[in-house]
Amino acid sequence: AQSVAQPEDQVNVAEGNPLTVKCTYSVSGNPYLFWYVQYPNRGLQFLLKYITGDNLVKGSYGFEAEFNKSQTSFHLKKPSALVSDSALYFCAVRDGAYNTDKLIFGTGTRLQVFP
Amino acid sequence: NAGVMQNPRHLVRRRGQEARLRCSPMKGHSHVYWYRQLPEEGLKFMVYLQKENIIDESGMPKERFSAEFPKEGPSILRIQQVVRGDSAAYFCASSPDTGRGEKLFFGSGTQLSVL
Repeated sequence: AQSVAQPEDQVNVAEGNPLTVKCTYSVSGNPYLFWYVQYPNRGLQFLLKYITGDNLVKGSYGFEAEFNKSQTSFHLKKPSALVSDSALYFCAVRDGAYNTDKLIFGTGTRLQVFP
Repeated sequence: NAGVMQNPRHLVRRRGQEARLRCSPMKGHSHVYWYRQLPEEGLKFMVYLQKENIIDESGMPKERFSAEFPKEGPSILRIQQVVRGDSAAYFCASSPDTGRGEKLFFGSGTQLSVL
């Protein structure tokens, strides 16, 4: 079964510093990987996805993610964090069953950016 | 083009009552996914529906929960005889579901509180 793991419950970073939010995956077949962000009392917003092509994927709000097949990782990164980036971040993988767009989510990582 | 619309935004029920949560997908989307988010937890998949069909209900509790997506009208997630443990945020997402890794579009959720 497809799954993703987010090993950190929380990541703290100072504003202006680079940030990394970790995600590893376990899939059969080619992975379709996603990052979503959730702000308080809101639904999830799409940040970026990897299906095929370049290992470095650029997304919304200056975020990017690096697909690493040998390490089965898809870490989310940003060169310079903003206080407004503080939110809950979810990594997700497409479920291989039914050839659909159903996603399986990780447990989430809370990012706290301090001024 | 309106996004995914969920209503009500907040729903309060007493134990034993019924809860009906509604979701209107984005225009042109015929695939709906329901997820549940417990406090401080990630999103758990509940059910995936196409128009008039339940495709995957592997995440639905065996009792009291049901979902439908009729030919006309919104998708409905129904919880009968609610208990306090049903208190959670319920999110609906939609996609055109090409099976080619389309992103899911999420609604703002329904916060269910069971007294």
